[in-house]
Amino acid sequence: NAGVTQTPKFQVLKTGQSMTLQCAQDMNHEYMSWYRQDPGMGLRLIHYSVGAGITDQGEVPNGYNVSRSTTEDFPLRLLSAAPSQTSVYFCASSYYVGTSGAGEQYFGPGTRLTVT
Amino acid sequence: ILNVEQSPQSLHVQEGDSTNFTCSFPSSNFYALHWYRWETAKSPEALFVMTLNGDEKKKGRISATLNTKEGYSYLYIKGSQPEDSATYLCASGPPIYNQGGKLIFGQGTELSVKP
Repeated sequence: NAGVTQTPKFQVLKTGQSMTLQCAQDMNHEYMSWYRQDPGMGLRLIHYSVGAGITDQGEVPNGYNVSRSTTEDFPLRLLSAAPSQTSVYFCASSYYVGTSGAGEQYFGPGTRLTVT
Repeated sequence: ILNVEQSPQSLHVQEGDSTNFTCSFPSSNFYALHWYRWETAKSPEALFVMTLNGDEKKKGRISATLNTKEGYSYLYIKGSQPEDSATYLCASGPPIYNQGGKLIFGQGTELSVKP
């Protein structure tokens, strides 16, 4: 299994450009999430999904859209890039374990995005 | 939004020292508590997921305890080694069944172990 994969690994955008960060997992996990990691801020949840067709907002959703048409894929779209979106983005997946909700998160390798 | 806090922010120890960090979370909203190890230039990797008050888990020299009534978890490293140098993250999620993927992370404790 490849686990969680993300593309691209690095990206430079100009202010106002749009792009999609790709995330895929081959573990048949129900749950998928997007986080951003900024110095001194830890990991902050952008959007998450509990299954195909179901998504919801996290702590910092503004400026990002997501969709989940399949169990495997969970792309993150930046609608109009801003310098404040310069960050490292991690995609993660996890699985159902009953009433406790979810097992541990499996993280992708990250995408380092710079917006100039 | 759930507040998950970790202390200390950073820790410098000598090889062979034992150490521990704290993760605190609102006890009224407890759902599950996760610990992750995050090495520089890599992705976070899960250490433990704990759900029950009094849970204790162990993996090699690393162990964790959970107190859901008072809202804290301790992570212990016995006999620290340089390869233990990493940022240790804890995370907790809300008590709503269909939001199992929604974890809130603390800011992490950065551990540096000197040989």
